[in-house]
Amino acid sequence: GNSVTQMEGPVTLSEEAFLTINCTYTATGYPSLFWYVQYPGEGLQLLLKATKADDKGSNKGFEATYRKETTSFHLEKGSVQVSDSAVYFCALGTGGFKTIFGAGTRLFVKA
Amino acid sequence: DAEITQSPRHKITETGRQVTLACHQTWNHNNMFWYRQDLGHGLRLIHYSYGVQDTNKGEVSDGYSVSRSNTEDLPLTLESAASSQTSVYFCASSERRLTSGTAGDTQYFGPGTRLTVL
Repeated sequence: GNSVTQMEGPVTLSEEAFLTINCTYTATGYPSLFWYVQYPGEGLQLLLKATKADDKGSNKGFEATYRKETTSFHLEKGSVQVSDSAVYFCALGTGGFKTIFGAGTRLFVKA
Repeated sequence: DAEITQSPRHKITETGRQVTLACHQTWNHNNMFWYRQDLGHGLRLIHYSYGVQDTNKGEVSDGYSVSRSNTEDLPLTLESAASSQTSVYFCASSERRLTSGTAGDTQYFGPGTRLTVL
């Protein structure tokens, strides 16, 4: 069946460090892939998405490339800020409008 | 601006009581979803609806029910609250696209309801 696996956290980085959060998926067909972010006390919000192989989603300095050959959608940012501290969810959009979420990865960025 | 709201934001109840959590969206989206978020489990789908009078069970639907009488609202009812239902509950909505080949549209989330069952 369809599933998403992302690296366990928490991830702790110093400000301006490089960030990678790994995400791999299992799916039939041609899913869309998403990264959502959840700030403390809030609901999830879309960070970026990619709808087909080799697409790159980007937003707020974050990037992720849809790699069908490795079934991956890793999240990267070149220089994190304290304000990036949040929980990040990789997600898979299947046919039928449903979305399957990974377990989430908590990021702490120290000043 | 369009939004999705949930109420109450916090609720404490006792085992065995019936509880209803409200979700209201002004996006005019056809699709609405209820999730629960628990440490170590991410988000798990409870129920979802693709339109008025349509409801479907998700992966953890036991003990929960929903009804959809209009486009804007999808209330979630816990028929007889149990301590295992202590969680943070999120409502979400998405647009139904009429074009084929769309695999999963962006979901818009409410701020969540923290429910404690004592």
